Amino acid sequence: EIVLTQSPATLSLSPGERATLSCRASQSVSSYLAWYQQKPGQAPRLLIYDASNRATGIPARFSGSGSGTDFTLTISSLEPEDFAVYYCQQRSNWFSITFGQGTRLEIK
Amino acid sequence: EVQLVESGGGLVQPGGSLRLSCAASGFTVSSNYMSWVRQAPGKGLEWVSVIYSGGSTYYADSVKGRFTISRDNSKNTLYLQMNSLRAEDTAVYYCAREALYSGSPGGFDYWGQGTLVTVSS
Repeated sequence: EIVLTQSPATLSLSPGERATLSCRASQSVSSYLAWYQQKPGQAPRLLIYDASNRATGIPARFSGSGSGTDFTLTISSLEPEDFAVYYCQQRSNWFSITFGQGTRLEIK
Repeated sequence: EVQLVESGGGLVQPGGSLRLSCAASGFTVSSNYMSWVRQAPGKGLEWVSVIYSGGSTYYADSVKGRFTISRDNSKNTLYLQMNSLRAEDTAVYYCAREALYSGSPGGFDYWGQGTLVTVSS
């Protein structure tokens, strides 16, 4: 099973700052990596798919990069509504999907 | 408009069974890749199972042999039959559709609101 490790576990920043979240895979997942945002009491929301493609309706301040084992989600200038938990997810084969443990983005 | 509505959650004793349903509208379940994803209280997301448009099914090791994913094409509904339930199966269970871009999967683009399963005596 491919393990995804997200860092940091918690990121404390202020609105307007730049956020950089990391996701590392235990083996190559090519570009089959997605990012999600989850707020309390809500289902996750797809932000990025195939490592760098924004999902429909996602603001341009969200961007993804990376391939192989190292991936990054960047939020260029934090808005108040961006403070949430973020998960990465891989599906590099047809029989297994895994999520990272999450990064909590909190207001400093 | 695409919608997924789960039902069937509740309190069940260890060793018991439960069947979750996910009614879809706005798209055809049988033409898509559909998964169940769960989230234990205060914890992260865990993929549980997938059913592909061709009918193939796969499971996480934690539920293999105990859970069964299926669909009813006439009702456009996804199911998760859960047997031999354990305390560690306690979670909110979401059904989710996987986006397809040029035939390749690209993340879960639609999710239900989730249904809570509590396994306790």
